Amino acid sequence: AQSVTQLGSHVSVSEGALVLLRCNYSSSVPPYLFWYVQYPNQGLQLLLKYTSAATLVKGINGFEAEFKKSETSFHLTKPSAHMSDAAEYFCAVSTGFQKLVFGTGTRLLVSP
Amino acid sequence: NAGVTQTPKFRILKIGQSMTLQCTQDMNHNYMYWYRQDPGMGLKLIYYSVGAGITDKGEVPNGYNVSRSTTEDFPLRLELAAPSQTSVYFCASSSLSGTPEDAFFGQGTRLTVV
Repeated sequence: AQSVTQLGSHVSVSEGALVLLRCNYSSSVPPYLFWYVQYPNQGLQLLLKYTSAATLVKGINGFEAEFKKSETSFHLTKPSAHMSDAAEYFCAVSTGFQKLVFGTGTRLLVSP
Repeated sequence: NAGVTQTPKFRILKIGQSMTLQCTQDMNHNYMYWYRQDPGMGLKLIYYSVGAGITDKGEVPNGYNVSRSTTEDFPLRLELAAPSQTSVYFCASSSLSGTPEDAFFGQGTRLTVV
C-alpha cells in the first residue's frame, strides 16, 4: 500500500526565512507525488506534482520540491517565506485509478 | 464559472438524524469524490464515482451512501448520524483525461454531530 508521512504538524518561520516542509513516501511502485495547500475555510489547491519526469519540480507561489528516491522523500521548499504562505500543506501520493492518499498535514506559521 | 459547489457550509445534527450533503460541478467532469477531513488528519476518501450511474467505495465508506444520477451532482447521504461523523467534508471533481491531482475541490461542509 502507498502512504505518505509528514514530519511535524506545525512549522514556524519568520518572514523572509527558508520554508522546509518534510514528506516521506512509501510505495511499491514508482509514485506520483503531490503537494497541496489549504487556506482557512477553503478547499485544497494543487501546488505542484511529481510524475516521474524532472526530479526537481517547481510549483506555484515560488514553491518547489525535489524527489529523492534514495531517501524516499519529497520535501517542499520556498527560499523566502511570505505572510501569505501561512496555511496548511498536505503531501499526497496517487494510488492509481484517480485516487489520492493524503498525509496528516503541516500547518505553516509565518511571523513578521 | 462556479467550479465545485457544496451545500450547506455548516450543519449541526443530532445523533440518529439523517442528512444529505450536496455537491454539484459545472465543468462536465466525469470523476467525482467525497473526502472527509478530521482534525490533525489528512483527507480520507469516502466514495468516488467515475461517471453517472457508477459509484464505488473509498477508504472509509461505512455510515455513508452516495448516488450519481447526473454528471453534475454527487450527493452524500448520512442515514444515522453518529458523533464519529463529525468532520469537514470535501467534494472534488476531475476530468476523464485528467488525473486526481488535477481535481477541483469545493470549499467544504463542516458537520458537527451532537
